[in-house]
Amino acid sequence: RKEVEQDPGPFNVPEGATVAFNCTYSNSASQSFFWYRQDCRKEPKLLMSVYSSGNEDGRFTAQLNRASQYISLLIRDSKLSDSATYLCVLSNFGNEKLTFGTGTRLTIIP
Amino acid sequence: NAGVMQNPRHLVRRRGQEARLRCSPMKGHSHVYWYRQLPEEGLKFMVYLQKENIIDESGMPKERFSAEFPKEGPSILRIQQVVRGDSAAYFCASSPPSNTEAFFGQGTRLTVV
Repeated sequence: RKEVEQDPGPFNVPEGATVAFNCTYSNSASQSFFWYRQDCRKEPKLLMSVYSSGNEDGRFTAQLNRASQYISLLIRDSKLSDSATYLCVLSNFGNEKLTFGTGTRLTIIP
Repeated sequence: NAGVMQNPRHLVRRRGQEARLRCSPMKGHSHVYWYRQLPEEGLKFMVYLQKENIIDESGMPKERFSAEFPKEGPSILRIQQVVRGDSAAYFCASSPPSNTEAFFGQGTRLTVV
């Protein structure tokens, strides 16, 4: 079983719609959770950290369910610029030895 | 404050040659990490270094790969006797001592022909 599992997509979503991704992880010792985005042939960039209480940053909302070992990302009012691959990332401590999912590809359609 | 700088951006090597990839962390960052991304795969951790120390190299292949982060100068990822399977994007990331957020460089795309 992979350490981090994501639906690879692609998700093709009309502009303005709401889209949600889930990610499951197998290592219950994981302590830190993140969503990164990666544009084609570019470096990953941190989108947001994920906390047990859930957190929101503008149009983006992230949730963590430790009992079920999954993480979610919700994007509201999607923009064309949201088109990217979204990476579910976790670690046992901070930024040391990040474990990446293979990503979910999102395309926003005008 | 410049971001994490990697060079070269693209590197072509023939089988059997050596590849040297450089990474200059952001100013004030003392932690450096190397990751490899094979085509259509996720990033895989390779090594975590602090100045003059290898902290965790559990993701490094046992042979041909080495990494250093000297007191002065950039971190170097060295691949000896490259093979076609080494073709990948190699990303470096750095974080401050407080280990708050890791910032990634633009990567070096290695192609072995």
